[in-house]
Amino acid sequence: GAVVSQHPSRVICKSGTSVKIECRSLDFQATTMFWYRQFPKKSLMLMATSNEGSKATYEQGVEKDKFLINHASLTLSTLTVTSAHPEDSSFYICSVLLSRDIWHNSPLHFGNGTRLTVT
Amino acid sequence: GQQLNQSPQSMFIQEGEDVSMNCTSSSIFNTWLWYKQDPGEGPVLLIALYKAGELTSNGRLTAQFGITRKDSFLNISASIPSDVGIYFCAGQEYGNKLVFGAGTILRVKS
Repeated sequence: GAVVSQHPSRVICKSGTSVKIECRSLDFQATTMFWYRQFPKKSLMLMATSNEGSKATYEQGVEKDKFLINHASLTLSTLTVTSAHPEDSSFYICSVLLSRDIWHNSPLHFGNGTRLTVT
Repeated sequence: GQQLNQSPQSMFIQEGEDVSMNCTSSSIFNTWLWYKQDPGEGPVLLIALYKAGELTSNGRLTAQFGITRKDSFLNISASIPSDVGIYFCAGQEYGNKLVFGAGTILRVKS
């Protein structure tokens, strides 16, 4: 069954508004969650690494004030796209490292993604 | 950001044919992963490789972790229409971050 639930699957918002995307780990705790962005027909690019109870680590070139990440609990991380612009339109995908797998490299489980369209 | 070199970029094959794709990197990875992504969905793990030289199968899929730890290949035998999609290789770094290849778009002609 699904390990990760991502919501919403699609969202359309007006330019200047903010959008929140949720990523939930089902059944298991997740100490670390990763947020990726994917442009059409392109690969996944890591935006940030989110650890429960601490500040997210952003990849180079990703604006932390634009893409706010909150990992408030062991099963939930949120990505908020603030003051969205049309160029923020993209497919955002979260992935989860389960606490049970933390001591060895384990394949990450992915959510089904969120298609954001900013008009 | 860093990417792996994945090839081919796309393939259009006849149903029943075998498929091969590969990834190379200038960096060493401890884990290689292969994912498949259908349109509008997140990647789904196909095969995980943990040891250099490891050859692993999952049904019609076979993948190998190169001895140098800088490359991997994925083979699909006897392709079927539902194999269509985008296949990504990924190397796993320290801290469990994934570095993805650019993807191989597979189309199958029935």
